Amino acid sequence: QKEVEQNSGPLSVPEGAIASLNCTYSDRVSQSFFWYRQYSGKSPELIMSIYSNGDKEDGRFTAQLNKASQYVSLLIRDSQPSDSATYLCAVKSGGSYIPTFGRGTSLIVHP
Amino acid sequence: EAQVTQNPRYLITVTGKKLTVTCSQNMNHEYMSWYRQDPGLGLRQIYYSMNVEVTDKGDVPEGYKVSRKEKRNFPLILESPSPNQTSLYFCASSLSEGGTDLSTDTQYFGPGTRLTVL
Repeated sequence: QKEVEQNSGPLSVPEGAIASLNCTYSDRVSQSFFWYRQYSGKSPELIMSIYSNGDKEDGRFTAQLNKASQYVSLLIRDSQPSDSATYLCAVKSGGSYIPTFGRGTSLIVHP
Repeated sequence: EAQVTQNPRYLITVTGKKLTVTCSQNMNHEYMSWYRQDPGLGLRQIYYSMNVEVTDKGDVPEGYKVSRKEKRNFPLILESPSPNQTSLYFCASSLSEGGTDLSTDTQYFGPGTRLTVL
């Protein structure tokens, strides 16, 4: 059973701070890693995808992947109240057709 | 506009009354899938399809059926709904499984269908 683990939170950070979200996974042959943002009652929206070890930056978001340690993280710099949402980590191995999702981490950015 | 659509968006029904939730994508994606989302349990795979007439079970397929007769459509069928199928359902599609171009395995989600079975 492939597992993707996330701390459910809530993670509360002040506006302007860096929010750090973490995800660990069990399948060592995982190849594709995704971070989705989901507002309450809405559909998941892709923020970042990462496929190689290291960092990938896109605006205020940075995804970090460490395959040896089997974790992937998402950093949100200069957090805004509009970043308040649930963040879903998804992992897909080369032998799978669709990814497995973690249960998500709730982020609250307070003014 | 590239999108995944679902209908209906909201549905209240009674136990045992057959229903179908439609899903359609206009991106010529090969892979389509259905998830349900419940509080504290996250997104769980119900069924997925790799191409026309090719489907497979996900993690929670009991009580559901699917069909893929056309590439763009992937309806979810509940033959005899029960209250434990009350949930938020999402359809998703991706171009492919990745292969040599891993970026093609990004999933795009529909807006969701909130189903209540009384």
